[in-house]
Amino acid sequence: ILNVEQSPQSLHVQEGDSTNFTCSFPSSNFYALHWYRWETAKSPEALFVMTLNGDEKKKGRISATLNTKEGYSYLYIKGSQPEDSATYLCAFTNGNQFYFGTGTSLTVIP
Amino acid sequence: KAGVTQTPRYLIKTRGQQVTLSCSPISGHRSVSWYQQTPGQGLQFLFEYFSETQRNKGNFPGRFSGRQFSNSRSEMNVSTLELGDSALYLCASSLRTSGHTDTQYFGPGTRLTVL
Repeated sequence: ILNVEQSPQSLHVQEGDSTNFTCSFPSSNFYALHWYRWETAKSPEALFVMTLNGDEKKKGRISATLNTKEGYSYLYIKGSQPEDSATYLCAFTNGNQFYFGTGTSLTVIP
Repeated sequence: KAGVTQTPRYLIKTRGQQVTLSCSPISGHRSVSWYQQTPGQGLQFLFEYFSETQRNKGNFPGRFSGRQFSNSRSEMNVSTLELGDSALYLCASSLRTSGHTDTQYFGPGTRLTVL
């Protein structure tokens, strides 16, 4: 069973703060890494799909980087807003199936 | 474009019963994957169906089974329910044109409670 770890488990930040979280995954048999945002009472929503070492993706105030050689990805949120409050999930795939981390729960305090 | 739909949204069953959950993917998506989420656990992969064939299977007992129809709708069945099967069951659909680099779109989930 492949292990995907996310840290921290939870995070409380003030509105306007920038923050980042980590997803660690096996560096062998890498195919792709997906990031999702999961708001309470909603479905997980895809943020990024990352495939190449050194990839950087950006969507508004959210960006992500990928290091497949050392097996980690960072997700950054610049100037956090209350609407960013959600659980952020990463999912590693070796091309066969997805292995999800347990997520980082972000609360942005107004 | 309509999103992924799952029915029912909530279900209460007793131990030993069986249950069938349904998932309708986004139109044009041929891949449907099923996941289980229990408290404190990440999403656990159950299986993936593509063009009516099971493509991959996670590490779950044989009590968990599924199928996919020609219109890509998928059903998941759990027989002989156990208390530990209480969970949120999510399905996700994708185009699956190239490995797993296509975006997965998730449904709202079915919350199963086993008493």
